[in-house]
Amino acid sequence: AQSVTQPDIHITVSEGASLELRCNYSYGATPYLFWYVQSPGQGLQLLLKYFSGDTLVQGIKGFEAEFKRSQSSFNLRKPSVHWSDAAEYFCAVGAAGGSYIPTFGRGTSLIVHP
Amino acid sequence: NAGVMQNPRHLVRRRGQEARLRCSPMKGHSHVYWYRQLPEEGLKFMVYLQKENIIDESGMPKERFSAEFPKEGPSILRIQQVVRGDSAAYFCASSPPGGRTEAFFGQGTRLTVV
Repeated sequence: AQSVTQPDIHITVSEGASLELRCNYSYGATPYLFWYVQSPGQGLQLLLKYFSGDTLVQGIKGFEAEFKRSQSSFNLRKPSVHWSDAAEYFCAVGAAGGSYIPTFGRGTSLIVHP
Repeated sequence: NAGVMQNPRHLVRRRGQEARLRCSPMKGHSHVYWYRQLPEEGLKFMVYLQKENIIDESGMPKERFSAEFPKEGPSILRIQQVVRGDSAAYFCASSPPGGRTEAFFGQGTRLTVV
């Protein structure tokens, strides 16, 4: 069974600072990997996804993530955070092949200080 | 192309009543997933359906919860005899057939049991 670990429950950064949110997954084969963002009271919006190919993935809103198979990681990064980036971020893994059911981590809450 | 539509957005039920949550997937999407989100927790998978079939319900509580996705009409998540512990945000997601794609989320239904 697949699983996702987001070790940081809360992350606080200053506006303009760089950001890295950690995600580790467990899955026996090649995974599909995703990052979603959720603003308060809203649904989830896809930031970026990895299926295959280039391990550095570019997403919306200036985010990127790097798939590292050797570390079973898919960390999300942004070079300069904006106040509007404050939200909950979820990493998810889907099984490549077979029954596709995205499994989510518990999320990381991003707080941005002015 | 409208997104995933969930209704109602907010639902208040007294203990012992029934709750019906509706989800209309995006046009062309035949896969539907239901998730539950409790405060300070991530999204917990409940059930995965395709038209007229339950594919995986391993995350559904054994009692009081049921889901369907009929040939015509929206997917329904039904909770009978609700209890306070059922209070949560319930999210529906859909994806097209064929895999290798992300799941698109609705805005959620926030159920409050009083």
